[in-house]
Amino acid sequence: DGGITQSPKYLFRKEGQNVTLSCEQNLNHDAMYWYRQDPGQGLRLIYYSQIVNDFQKGDIAEGYSVSREKKESFPLTVTSAQKNPTAFYLCASSKTGGGTEAFFGQGTRLTVV
Amino acid sequence: RKEVEQDPGPFNVPEGATVAFNCTYSNSASQSFFWYRQDCRKEPKLLMSVYSSGNEDGRFTAQLNRASQYISLLIRDSKLSDSATYLCVVKGVDSSYKLIFGSGTRLLVRP
Repeated sequence: DGGITQSPKYLFRKEGQNVTLSCEQNLNHDAMYWYRQDPGQGLRLIYYSQIVNDFQKGDIAEGYSVSREKKESFPLTVTSAQKNPTAFYLCASSKTGGGTEAFFGQGTRLTVV
Repeated sequence: RKEVEQDPGPFNVPEGATVAFNCTYSNSASQSFFWYRQDCRKEPKLLMSVYSSGNEDGRFTAQLNRASQYISLLIRDSKLSDSATYLCVVKGVDSSYKLIFGSGTRLLVRP
């Protein structure tokens, strides 16, 4: 079945550690996105990519990094520079072009301990 | 001003009621519009795309008003299972095709 897979579902990080969240899709989508959601809030864009080896900062990129070495994969690293990383992280993918919706992974819930 | 704005609610309605949500967007050149549904602690899922001519899917009707820059979602005959957060989404106008989400409107349908 085609879809988008995020792992792990739950992740615990100690202060000062970097952690990497995985996002893989087999939908043959060019565009991929990372969003952060805090309790009771909407989705805020961290990074997005339209094509392999290219990505752009979203509204809250500070403290995060990404790579897009393969079309299928768009991992997100939460660095120690991100001071308040506890949140629900959602990865999405879509075709490029107007009129095409995005599909989401099931999310990763990151907690700093 | 936020790029996409929604009334956060919550809207608390009885079963069988009709409820409407509005969403406004700031960029008049925006291309594509969607409504997503998000259940508690789950990922958003597409409810429906919004077309210029308006579109209907069962009990759900979506409309776009480009002149006033707002999108609406109408839910008729509300069911308990409609309880969720409804997210308005606008797709960017430049080559980035960035997806911009509203903060969501929470709907509670009571028996």
